[in-house]
Amino acid sequence: QSALTQPASVSGSPGQSIAISCTGTSSDVGGYNHVSWYQHHPGKAPKLMIYGVSNRPSGVSNRFSGSKSANTASLTISGLQAEDEADYYCSSYTSSNTYVFGTGTKVTVL
Amino acid sequence: EVQLVESGGGLVQPGESLRLSCAASGFTFSSNWMTWVRQAPGKGLEWVANIKEDGSEEYYVDSVKGRFTISRDNAKNSVNLQMNSLRAEDTAVYYCARTRPGYFDFWGQGTLVTVSS
Repeated sequence: QSALTQPASVSGSPGQSIAISCTGTSSDVGGYNHVSWYQHHPGKAPKLMIYGVSNRPSGVSNRFSGSKSANTASLTISGLQAEDEADYYCSSYTSSNTYVFGTGTKVTVL
Repeated sequence: EVQLVESGGGLVQPGESLRLSCAASGFTFSSNWMTWVRQAPGKGLEWVANIKEDGSEEYYVDSVKGRFTISRDNAKNSVNLQMNSLRAEDTAVYYCARTRPGYFDFWGQGTLVTVSS
């Protein structure tokens, strides 16, 4: 049950696109299409941004998109906006019938 | 509107017990798995435990197995986390979340548990 690996921080200027990677193993990310992404502002409830690798819940901006290749999933934020500044976490279902989160990425809008 | 409200957090000494509760409303509670996730100070999110719709299956992260027990009361629309033999490393904000296959679509605001002497 080791945490999925994410970069500690990613930054970009308003309007730019950034990508956050999430690397696991064939027992989690690579083995299932149950990868999800969450936006977390400190002191608030985490918010689901992407589920099932690439699906956006109703109400989430289409600037957010997800993908996966082998054991690595990615979240792309296009047209970066100040309100996107937050911590982002990936999550995956695992072969042990459990879930695992990523180490988290702090997104900074320059 | 889906609402999840956690309660029961507080300050306890190492080795003591605490019971967290999460009151759910705005959806058919008995049709959803439920999950507890925690975040220690300055750390990332950690999945803790989940429970099947009817309570017949439970799963735990290794670090809490044998110490924590998740349960639910579908008549009261609540999910609980009984935490025994608490350690300093259990200090965290604990969130409950409605669980769909593979993801957590609604979260509560969290309740803080502090384990310290």
